Amino acid sequence: GAVVSQHPSWVICKSGTSVKIECRSLDFQATTMFWYRQFPKQSLMLMATSNEGSKATYEQGVEKDKFLINHASLTLSTLTVTSAHPEDSSFYICSARVPDSSETQYFGPGTRLLVL
Amino acid sequence: EDKVVQSPLSLVVHEGDTVTLNCSYEVTNFRSLLWYKQEKKAPTFLFMLTSSGIEKKSGRLSSILDKKELFSILNITATQTGDSAIYLCAVRKSSGDKLTFGTGTRLAVRP
Repeated sequence: GAVVSQHPSWVICKSGTSVKIECRSLDFQATTMFWYRQFPKQSLMLMATSNEGSKATYEQGVEKDKFLINHASLTLSTLTVTSAHPEDSSFYICSARVPDSSETQYFGPGTRLLVL
Repeated sequence: EDKVVQSPLSLVVHEGDTVTLNCSYEVTNFRSLLWYKQEKKAPTFLFMLTSSGIEKKSGRLSSILDKKELFSILNITATQTGDSAIYLCAVRKSSGDKLTFGTGTRLAVRP
């Protein structure tokens, strides 16, 4: 299957700092990537859809000024958690849709964020 | 509001057992249903189902969709400890790429 990478895999930061997470499609071009958040023992919740060359589409209840998304190229989307607080601690996962007839989404390995 | 419900929430079996995981959904403009396996990290893709009654199979795993009754099952035969994971079901609508996930079934396979 297609490969999606994320960096970093782990980040610990102080409250009030900003954290940037990168999502890359390694062997295909992705015009659309997705950012999810997963709290312990809960399912994946879609935060936003990242579109290459245009603004991201945020799900209801997700603050766009807090979770900045930039999809600067066909292989890279970034999520910046601005002024992070302990309640932002979570597992952040990106996915990318392979542009073929299968329309399958492949997930990155995730980034675990801990805000102290 | 779109809903995806999985059952059971958790399951403990012994190696060699067969398990059936359930996923029911209520979405408008259904397009496809996907199954993922999540171990410690991000989900890995298992199956995508779009048509009723056509079984998809990969080794000991198989899945089928019933679009009339709005559910899918994932079967795992001769379970192994490596099958221990959370199994997630997600539904995609015909408009857009958004996936709506169920809460998952946590499967534990004991030796």
